[in-house]
Amino acid sequence: DIQMTQSPSSLSASVGDRVTITCRASQGISNSLAWYQQKPGKAPELLLYAASILESWVPSRFSGSGSGTDYTLTISSLQPEDFATYYCQQYYSIVSTFGQGTKVEIK
Amino acid sequence: EVQLVESGGALIQPGGSLRLSCAASGFTVSNSYMSWVRQAPGKGLEWVSIIYSGGSTYYADSVKGRFTISRDNSKNTLFLQMNSLRVEDTAVYYCVRGARYPGVCVDWGRGTLVTVSS
Repeated sequence: DIQMTQSPSSLSASVGDRVTITCRASQGISNSLAWYQQKPGKAPELLLYAASILESWVPSRFSGSGSGTDYTLTISSLQPEDFATYYCQQYYSIVSTFGQGTKVEIK
Repeated sequence: EVQLVESGGALIQPGGSLRLSCAASGFTVSNSYMSWVRQAPGKGLEWVSIIYSGGSTYYADSVKGRFTISRDNSKNTLFLQMNSLRVEDTAVYYCVRGARYPGVCVDWGRGTLVTVSS
């Protein structure tokens, strides 16, 4: 199976900060990468897929990039509603896998 | 509007069996990629299984041979039959509708809790 490694596992940031989360795959996944946001007690929500395509509801302060094995999720100016846990997921393989998550907390 | 409502979660002893159901509305299950994703208490997401519109099924290594994903097209419902349950199967199980690309989890249910404990 393809292993997905996210970093950092957690971070503290302030409103207005630029935040970057990294996801590394154990082999190339050809941009077959999605990012999800999960708030406490709620189901995850899809933010982006194909590494950089935003879902229609997602604010433009979110962006995704990367290629090959290395991908990033960037929040250009952190807002109060963005404090949550973020997961990457590869769907290049039929057997999909998620990263372990990055918890974004208030500093 | 897409809705996914899971049911069937329970407290079950190790070695037991359980069947989860996911009642779907707002779309046709048989025309979609449908998956189960689980989340152990306080832990991250784990992909469990997928069924394609054509009927092909795939599983995570951790559940292969013990879990079976299926659907009832007449009831527009997805199932997960779980046998030989282990303590480590304890989790909230989410029913997921895939779209955009196979495996992309677009719509999620609220989840149902399965607790495996003696």
